[in-house]
Parts: sequence; structure tokens; C-alpha cells
Amino acid sequence: GENVEQHPSTLSVQEGDSAVIKCTYSDSASNYFPWYKQELGKRPQLIIDIRSNVGEKKDQRIAVTLNKTAKHFSLHITETQPEDSAVYFCAAHATGFQKLVFGTGTRLLVSP
Amino acid sequence: GAVVSQHPSRVICKSGTSVKIECRSLDFQATTMFWYRQFPKKSLMLMATSNEGSKATYEQGVEKDKFLINHASLTLSTLTVTSAHPEDSSFYICSATKSGTSGDLRYFGPGTRLTVT
Repeated sequence: GENVEQHPSTLSVQEGDSAVIKCTYSDSASNYFPWYKQELGKRPQLIIDIRSNVGEKKDQRIAVTLNKTAKHFSLHITETQPEDSAVYFCAAHATGFQKLVFGTGTRLLVSP
Repeated sequence: GAVVSQHPSRVICKSGTSVKIECRSLDFQATTMFWYRQFPKKSLMLMATSNEGSKATYEQGVEKDKFLINHASLTLSTLTVTSAHPEDSSFYICSATKSGTSGDLRYFGPGTRLTVT
């Protein structure tokens, strides 16, 4: 089955810096890779996703890159703000299969 | 939009009792719903996949007789924690996929915090 690893587990940055979170997956059949932001006690919120037919996707300060050959994908947040502080989860999914497999999470702390 | 609700948001129960958690898709039909369990500072662990009108598929290590799942309609799935014990205390989150789609996009409920005393 699919296995998703995520690094780092915690990340502290100063406001305005960039943050990068990396994930690797094992199943070459996976073709959809969402990223979720979860604040304490809240539901995970989809912040960006990428499908396997593209290598990069950007939405304002957030971007995701995908390297299918190496089976890894990364989340990039630029110009970080204190409100970006949360736990971020990557995930991988293969269309046609029901299971969405989550990474272990990264706790991002943005200090003012 | 695609809104998923859960009820209750918080529940405290005594050891040995049963608790039912509801997950509803408010503005779409959900062929498939998923139940996750999340311990503090941990990732979401899939417990079971629930398809409307059929038996749920449980993940390895999840006791089907303890965590009863019913998906009786396209908008409602329930998780019943039977004979709850303190170690069942956790944050339970459901998610749903829209009928007629590839199933990639998941819509999450707000979660239910269960405390067993």
C-alpha cells in the first residue's frame, strides 16, 4: 500500500521568510497530491493540490512542486505570516482507489 | 460549496457507554464517507471507508464490533463507539466525496472530540 513520509516534523521561521515542507510517496499509481492546513481542534482545510500531469502549481504565496520520477512533492510558502502557523499535512491518492494516505504532518510556527 | 457537518462537536461519556457520532453532507450526495481518528499532535488515521448501502471496509487493526459504521443514506454516515474506554478518547473526523466525481476531492467535517471518563 501507499506510504507517505513528510519532513520536517516541526519548522520555525521568521515572518517574511519562506517555508518548505517535503513529502515522498511510495506508490507510483498515486496521481493526486493535496496539501491540508489544520489549526488546533479544527478540520483539515485543502490549501492546494496537484495532479500528476503537472510539475508545479502556484496560488499566490503557496506553491507545490511534484517530481513523479523521484516520487516526491513539496509545499512552498513564501512571505510567511503568523497566521500561516498551523499543522500542514501532505497526502497522496490514486484515482480509482478510495484511500487517501496522509503524511505525518509538519508543525509550522511563524514568529512575528 | 460542499459542506460536511458532524454532530456532536464534543461529547463526554462514561466508560462502558456507547456514543454515536453523525456525519452529514449538507449540500451534496456522498457515495463514500471516511472516518478518521486523530490523536493529539498526530496525523489522521483512517479507520474505515463507508459506502452507502453496503458494509464499511475497516482498516487493519480497527475493531469493527467496537466502531460500528452505518451509511444508510447518501447524506448521512454514523460512527458508534461501543463500550467506550478512556483509550478511545480522541478527535474523530469524517470526510466525504461527491457522488459522480473521481473521488479525489475530500470534504472534511469539523470533527468530534470524544472524552471517555
